[in-house]
Amino acid sequence: GAGVSQSPRYKVTKRGQDVTLRCDPISSHATLYWYQQALGQGPEFLTYFNYEAQPDKSGLPSDRFSAERPEGSISTLTIQRTEQRDSAMYRCASSLARGAYNEQFFGPGTRLTVL
Amino acid sequence: AQSVTQLGSHVSVSEGALVLLRCNYSSSVPPYLFWYVQYPNQGLQLLLKYTSAATLVKGINGFEAEFKKSETSFHLTKPSAHMRDAAEYFCAVRSQGGYNKLIFGAGTRLAVHP
Repeated sequence: GAGVSQSPRYKVTKRGQDVTLRCDPISSHATLYWYQQALGQGPEFLTYFNYEAQPDKSGLPSDRFSAERPEGSISTLTIQRTEQRDSAMYRCASSLARGAYNEQFFGPGTRLTVL
Repeated sequence: AQSVTQLGSHVSVSEGALVLLRCNYSSSVPPYLFWYVQYPNQGLQLLLKYTSAATLVKGINGFEAEFKKSETSFHLTKPSAHMRDAAEYFCAVRSQGGYNKLIFGAGTRLAVHP
């Protein structure tokens, strides 16, 4: 696609429910990143993919969080048994490759609210 | 460990005045540094980046930033603010590790008033 898209843009859920967020990167971009941005803070790294491989998931806050990118394009981020502290903006970014000179292009984000 | 500190969560300037947004970093290796801007309801957009070439980096929309190793700073400036510059600005440093994991500051919200 022309840019990075994310869906849904807004998600309200009740504590204890599972949610799945979707990211559609720029086509041909090999690398995809997920960030979590709490209110009043900058984005914090969660995990990244290089094609379908997931070399680093050190930023995932707990084992309730998981991400996948099975065909090396679209990615999903799933949060199981959501808690109120999971409320945040979730941002996806993609880049042509993972080197330092490759700009990350960000999607508009999904704002998750856990009641 | 690397980190970024942005001094001032809110900055307010008059239209036409100088914009100065402060960023200090901590890094044990030569850093790659970035400034991103976020307009309402949009994704983060890259303004400019420093990757160890010229220390004065020019970006889009008339912004520039100067890398000062002695001060561990990468402040963002614009000579004359426009109303359309009102947005949130994030400074970031690339993490060590061979890929583009970014470590962001908390952000500075810029207000521009007539």
